[in-house]
Amino acid sequence: GAGVSQSPSNKVTEKGKDVELRCDPISGHTALYWYRQSLGQGLEFLIYFQGNSAPDKSGLPSDRFSAERTGGSVSTLTIQRTQQEDSAVYLCASSLEGRGFSFGPGTRLLVL
Amino acid sequence: SQQGEEDPQALSIQEGENATMNCSYKTSINNLQWYRQNSGRGLVHLILIRSNEREKHSGRLRVTLDTSKKSSSLLITASRAADTASYFCATDANDYKLSFGAGTTVTVRA
Repeated sequence: GAGVSQSPSNKVTEKGKDVELRCDPISGHTALYWYRQSLGQGLEFLIYFQGNSAPDKSGLPSDRFSAERTGGSVSTLTIQRTQQEDSAVYLCASSLEGRGFSFGPGTRLLVL
Repeated sequence: SQQGEEDPQALSIQEGENATMNCSYKTSINNLQWYRQNSGRGLVHLILIRSNEREKHSGRLRVTLDTSKKSSSLLITASRAADTASYFCATDANDYKLSFGAGTTVTVRA
């Protein structure tokens, strides 16, 4: 079946602009995650959605970052007033509890 | 903060040789997972080993887990050029939030 999809695949924006990144998880997966990967580094946890529970936002680096998940499916990660240090690959993953994650291809964000 | 730490950071081997990389972590876990990331491509889940398991196999992959030492190893046997990638371990603690290490970059020379 279809895997996790993300859009856009690449985004170039100017410092100070807002961006929205979208994630379509695998149908039926109750858990959805956003991670960030900077060049040459490991993955940094951002936010976690599990079913109808309140999301775990403990990884969001600042209040410029927010995310929502509508109807338990599609998720949007919003970065307001982007900064150059926000440049990274933003990865979305979904899973069934206790199983391995399925990652999307990521959105490469470049803030000029 | 990163929980898993892979060792070595980089590994270069000849095609056909075995590649071994290790992962250490700090807190108790539900399971440990290994992922592969090819250059410019997404993360692919390789194998998941639960905290009550000690060894698991999948094709040419062999994973061990020692919860007393809080460590895991990934062995790739009979390596191929296509195995060239970065390999990450990720730990799943009680809150089901994966924590990734910085990865081991494996280069398989033809």
